[in-house]
Amino acid sequence: SQKIEQNSEALNIQEGKTATLTCNYTNYSPAYLQWYRQDPGRGPVFLLLIRENEKEKRKERLKVTFDTTLKQSLFHITASQPADSATYLCARLHNQAGTALIFGKGTTLSVSS
Amino acid sequence: DGGITQSPKYLFRKEGQNVTLSCEQNLNHDAMYWYRQDPGQGLRLIYYSQIVNDFQKGDIAEGYSVSREKKESFPLTVTSAQKNPTAFYLCASSIWRDRGNTEAFFGQGTRLTVV
Repeated sequence: SQKIEQNSEALNIQEGKTATLTCNYTNYSPAYLQWYRQDPGRGPVFLLLIRENEKEKRKERLKVTFDTTLKQSLFHITASQPADSATYLCARLHNQAGTALIFGKGTTLSVSS
Repeated sequence: DGGITQSPKYLFRKEGQNVTLSCEQNLNHDAMYWYRQDPGQGLRLIYYSQIVNDFQKGDIAEGYSVSREKKESFPLTVTSAQKNPTAFYLCASSIWRDRGNTEAFFGQGTRLTVV
């Protein structure tokens, strides 16, 4: 069965630096990958979606890449701020459950001032 | 404002009792989902529904039941058969698009604690 893995449970960086989070998937490439932000005690919020034929997608300080050769997506936050501290989840189509998504365990980002 | 509402935010249950978590959406989405989240674990799919009056088991459906009698509503019942029900429960909805091209909208979650 397909899996989606976020290798780092936690990432600590200083304000102003670029945070880079990794998401790896197994088996066949998904047509799309999605990234969400989750704050403690709250539901995830959608951030970005990237298609398999897109190398890169940007939204303000966020950038996502999709490398089908490496079976990997990278999520970058440039000029990071303490307010960016949260858990970031990547997701792909479950593929055995209609339009449901399967999520990675997430990477908790802490940005210190 | 459009959105997805879960209630209650916190719920306490005695062992052996069934309890129902509410999920309502006014986004006019066809698909709705229930996920469970435990510390250090990702979101795990309990049940999903692509359309009214139809629902399917997800990866961890044992000990849970759902209904989908209205498009806006997808309640989840945690039964006494669920061995470890203490968790954070998340309801989500999405429109129908193909191959994962559909972002999910989540509620704020219900934290269930068995006492």
